[in-house]
Amino acid sequence: DAGVTQSPTHLIKTRGQHVTLRCSPISGHKSVSWYQQVLGQGPQFIFQYYEKEERGRGNFPDRFSARQFPNYSSELNVNALLLGDSALYLCASSLATDPSYEQYFGPGTRLTVT
Amino acid sequence: AQSVTQLDSQVPVFEEAPVELRCNYSSSVSVYLFWYVQYPNQGLQLLLKYLSGSTLVESINGFEAEFNKSQTSFHLRKPSVHISDTAEYFCAVRLSGAGSYQLTFGKGTKLSVIP
Repeated sequence: DAGVTQSPTHLIKTRGQHVTLRCSPISGHKSVSWYQQVLGQGPQFIFQYYEKEERGRGNFPDRFSARQFPNYSSELNVNALLLGDSALYLCASSLATDPSYEQYFGPGTRLTVT
Repeated sequence: AQSVTQLDSQVPVFEEAPVELRCNYSSSVSVYLFWYVQYPNQGLQLLLKYLSGSTLVESINGFEAEFNKSQTSFHLRKPSVHISDTAEYFCAVRLSGAGSYQLTFGKGTKLSVIP
């Protein structure tokens, strides 16, 4: 079975632009979470979606938004990019939201804001 | 809110020597505990987890971690490391109750195995 896939792998954007990152979960997984990993730090939770509804949100500004589609894939959108948004964005999928379910991580999208 | 402290940012160790990567957490309620490994330019892979039951948990590649509730620790150990263990290791916690959606990670420990 294919693991969690993310696209694109890398991208470079300019301050003020917006970006859309995409994630396809493992087949059968209905929950998708997004994390931001700044260089030298551990990942920080941004969002969790389950059955197309937002179930959790981390301490990120409203410039960050996400959605989940009927096929359980997900998009993360970031508006008005800042230099500080440069990071590895990780997507994780799990069967459901119960905390005992393992989260499987994708390889990430490396975003560079110049 | 919960938090995780990984006490060492970098740990160099010679091949075949033992290693311990330290992790302490803070939470007012019960938690699940995890260790993830990240190889260069890759995502995170679950190494092992503690949900309940035996406080000593093991992975398939020789790592083990022990949950110590009184010391709020979940240190990762391996009796003999291999070059291929060179990677960054993240300790994480998640609240065990319903409605707890996020993993909270430490800042990571870079393990460098020296030939």
